[in-house]
Amino acid sequence: EIVLTQSPATLSLSPGERATLSCRASQSVSSYLAWYQQKPGQAPRLLIYDASNRATGIPARFSGSGSGTDFTLTISSLEPEDFAVYYCQQRSNWPTFGPGTKVDIK
Amino acid sequence: QVQLVQSGAEVKKPGASVKVSCKASGYTFTSYGISWVRQAPGQGLEWMGWISAYNGNTNYAQKLQGRVTMTTDTSTSTAYMELRSLRSDDTAVYYCARGLIGDIVFNWFDPWGQGTLVTVSS
Repeated sequence: EIVLTQSPATLSLSPGERATLSCRASQSVSSYLAWYQQKPGQAPRLLIYDASNRATGIPARFSGSGSGTDFTLTISSLEPEDFAVYYCQQRSNWPTFGPGTKVDIK
Repeated sequence: QVQLVQSGAEVKKPGASVKVSCKASGYTFTSYGISWVRQAPGQGLEWMGWISAYNGNTNYAQKLQGRVTMTTDTSTSTAYMELRSLRSDDTAVYYCARGLIGDIVFNWFDPWGQGTLVTVSS
């Protein structure tokens, strides 16, 4: 099983600030990594797939980068609706998810 | 628009079974696989398995082998997930999710159903 770790566990920022979230894989997943956003009481929503491709309807302030074992999700300027939990997921092997990073309001 | 609508919340006793449904609309059902993902209260996401809506092939997470069965009814564009021998640690929100890239098991998940809370309690 490929284990994904995410850091930090919690990120406290203000609206308008830049958010940088990290996801590390226990072995190379090439570019087979996605990012999801989940708000309380809602299902996850796909943001980024194949490490850097935005899903349909996702704003340009969300961007992804990385390959191999180290990946980053960047939110260039936080909007009020961006405060949520973010999960990474790999599909290089049986799908697994990271434990999540909570982005909350400072 | 593409939509997955799941059945309502369930309360079950330990040892019982539960069957959750996921009705798809807005696309050709047999062109995409369906995965099931669960989330225990306050916890992260756990992939449970996948079913091909084209031919019914399945792949299940090793820890659930023998307790989970996924099926589809192409006449109603509905996927089902049955979990047997329920334990308290099966209490979770269960999601169905369509594969983004057609009918393959190693996939991205988009969109997701709204989730079904299954509570296992004596």
